[in-house]
Amino acid sequence: DTAVSQTPKYLVTQMGNDKSIKCEQNLGHDTMYWYKQDSKKFLKIMFSYNNKELIINETVPNRFSPKSPDKAHLNLHINSLELGDSAVYFCASSQRAGGGHLLYEQYFGPGTRLTVT
Amino acid sequence: QKEVEQDPGPLSVPEGAIVSLNCTYSNSAFQYFMWYRQYSRKGPELLMYTYSSGNKEDGRFTAQVDKSSKYISLFIRDSQPSDSATYLCAMSIVNNDMRFGAGTRLTVKP
Repeated sequence: DTAVSQTPKYLVTQMGNDKSIKCEQNLGHDTMYWYKQDSKKFLKIMFSYNNKELIINETVPNRFSPKSPDKAHLNLHINSLELGDSAVYFCASSQRAGGGHLLYEQYFGPGTRLTVT
Repeated sequence: QKEVEQDPGPLSVPEGAIVSLNCTYSNSAFQYFMWYRQYSRKGPELLMYTYSSGNKEDGRFTAQVDKSSKYISLFIRDSQPSDSATYLCAMSIVNNDMRFGAGTRLTVKP
């Protein structure tokens, strides 16, 4: 069984379009994330959601908006797509960070390769 | 200056070699240090993690953290072709808020 799944795996679209990427986790985690990995493999966090609250937003353009219908899903909506949005987008999930030094491992999905033409 | 610096490589070694992967960082507040492995067209997976300074060993893998030098390393002993992947270092101040390096692409040749 897939722990973190994303759809679609590949997405090719034209500039100016609006698109969505879906993410689902079946691990019972309460925190989900979206990352962007550019062509140089640099992985940068975009958002995280915990109990439907946005807790990290790393200077991402407001054309990007996360939507979480429930704890197991965090979808990414992108409006007015631009060439620079072309990248691989990864969804991840983990348990919420707590006290102590136990690392709450993030489990990543397989990625969605977005190409904007 | 980026918060986390990592040489992207590529790095190519023969099977059985010892591999050394490194990252430097600028933020002295980082406390959690992690290494992720990412196979081609897959998501990253956690390989090792260390809290604060010190060494940690797991099978053929050893992670080292030197906070005084702001330098972390991952050593792979007896490298195998199946170790061929991109290795990403990551670190955070509080758990879950990670900053990643650019990743080093490793190829182990049979």
